[in-house]
Order: sequence, then C-alpha cells, then structure tokens
Amino acid sequence: DAKTTQPNSMESNEEEPVHLPCNHSTISGTDYIHWYRQLPSQGPEYVIHGLTSNVNNRMASLAIAEDRKSSTLILHRATLRDAAVYYCILRDFNYGQNFVFGPGTRLSVLP
Amino acid sequence: KAGVTQTPRYLIKTRGQQVTLSCSPISGHRSVSWYQQTPGQGLQFLFEYFSETQRNKGNFPGRFSGRQFSNSRSEMNVSTLELGDSALYLCASSLRGSQSSGANVLTFGAGSRLTVL
Repeated sequence: DAKTTQPNSMESNEEEPVHLPCNHSTISGTDYIHWYRQLPSQGPEYVIHGLTSNVNNRMASLAIAEDRKSSTLILHRATLRDAAVYYCILRDFNYGQNFVFGPGTRLSVLP
Repeated sequence: KAGVTQTPRYLIKTRGQQVTLSCSPISGHRSVSWYQQTPGQGLQFLFEYFSETQRNKGNFPGRFSGRQFSNSRSEMNVSTLELGDSALYLCASSLRGSQSSGANVLTFGAGSRLTVL
C-alpha cells in the first residue's frame, strides 16, 4: 500500500480556514486520494476524494500538488463541529485495495 | 435515505464467550466491510463482503469471521473472546466493491463497542 504522512495534530481558530497537509511521495499514477474524518464517538465519514485535479464539495476543497506527491484538505471556515481526526488515504484504481487508515491528524478548533 | 445501521451499539462479554455483530448497509449497496478500532492499533481492516462472497480479509485470526446475506446485510462473529478484542467494530458499506474502483466511497455506521471482561 502506498503510504501517507500527516501531522499528528493541528489547531485552528473558529471561523478561520484550515489547511490539513498530507504527503504521499510514493503515490502511483492510478492512486486516488481520499479524505475521511472521524468525529468523537462516531464512525469515519467521507469528506472528499480526487485523482489529479483540485476538487470542491460542500464540505471542503482538495488541493493536489502538480506532481501529486502531496495534497491539502482545506476547510474554508472551521467550526467547532469540524474538530475531528482527519485521515488521508490512497486507493489504487487498478488493484482495488481496502482502505488503510493511518493515525490521521487530530484537529482541534478553538472558539 | 437511511444510513448504515449497526447493532448492538454497546455490549459487554466475558473472556471465552462469542459475539455476533450485525450491519445493515445503505439500500442498494452491495459491499460491506468491517474494521476494528482500538486506541493502540487505530482502524484496522477485518474483511470485505460483496454479493455474499468474502473478497478480502485482513490480518486477523480465524476467530474473526463474517458473512453476508442475499439482502446485503452482514454479520461478523468473534469466538473465544479475549481481552484484546475489546474495541469499536465499524461496518462500512459501498455501492461497489473495493476491487471495482479506487474512487469507491465508504459510508460507515456508528459502530458496535465491545467490552470483554
């Protein structure tokens, strides 16, 4: 499985943008980049995914570096509800792998 | 539409007993996968079922087993429980199996929290 590296924890102030980085230097051309988050006492929930181009949805934006060796999940205005563990995961298009969750980044949002 | 439903939400067992956990996927989803989450090991993949067939299995002992029914509902069973089996067991469903596309998205349930005494 291709590996991802994320900071263990980050802090943000409420109503400010948050940039969560993920390094995946061994990414292959067919790997999709997925982000999930897990709020306290809940199962993980899907946030966003992309392959090459930047992606936007109602929850967040995903910025993918041109060489695809890193990506950034952007929460445009953090709320207290965004405090969670965020997981960056690679999924191989060709070989269909199960999701391999690393330790993720624990995001704290300060009021 | 209804999300992924896991039952029971909480349960307490003693060592040596067995436990069965149930997962009802989102309507129309044919793939169900199971994960174990512990503070020490994080989220670890147990197995995946698609159309009643086990497609993938994680690195867990044979005490952990599962099955999927024709309506896509799934159960997992843990026999001869050990203290280390205490964990949050998460079920996730998806429209297609993991072998179909890297873009396949999982929807997780809230989990079943098992405590083994």
